[in-house]
Amino acid sequence: NAGVMQNPRHLVRRRGQEARLRCSPMKGHSHVYWYRQLPEEGLKFMVYLQKENIIDESGMPKERFSAEFPKEGPSILRIQQVVRGDSAAYFCASSHGTSGSVPEQYFGPGTRLTVT
Amino acid sequence: GNSVTQMEGPVTLSEEAFLTINCTYTATGYPSLFWYVQYPGEGLQLLLKATKADDKGSNKGFEATYRKETTSFHLEKGSVQVSDSAVYFCALRGYGGSQGNLIFGKGTKLSVKP
Repeated sequence: NAGVMQNPRHLVRRRGQEARLRCSPMKGHSHVYWYRQLPEEGLKFMVYLQKENIIDESGMPKERFSAEFPKEGPSILRIQQVVRGDSAAYFCASSHGTSGSVPEQYFGPGTRLTVT
Repeated sequence: GNSVTQMEGPVTLSEEAFLTINCTYTATGYPSLFWYVQYPGEGLQLLLKATKADDKGSNKGFEATYRKETTSFHLEKGSVQVSDSAVYFCALRGYGGSQGNLIFGKGTKLSVKP
């Protein structure tokens, strides 16, 4: 049973370009979460999505960042007009949905974005 | 707001030494507490968790006890192995909050020498 897949694992972009990060959740999982880890920092929550819905985007920067989780295909985190401060590791996690107890999140290996 | 503070690394130990990684938290209500481990080149894996005061989470020889009176969730292992070398993250999830809102400490890198 494949785990959470993220690609690319490493991405280099020049300032002003767009970055697209992909996340395929574990089989059977319908919830996806994105986190960002800046150098020397812990992971920071960005956004929580279900299929075709954004549930919580309280951690997303107000500009240039967007996320989607379409009915078919992977979740996409999109960063427009990247700046050097966007250089970080971006982690995706997935879980199944359940009422009552809060489900465990399973993490992918991350995408390391470098903006030159 | 909610936050997690864990001891800074790196921590270097000899094999079979005793390990403690301190973690304290600030939160309203009754958060759930977690330790995640990240091996080189891999994603985070849940190591153990505790969901209420005085609960003890344990896995692979690691333990942590949810101490509400000291707002702590220190990670311990009696005898570390080289294979335990990794980065360890303490995290909390607030009560009643979004399921997605895991709040992490900065991580502690552990290196175990043979």
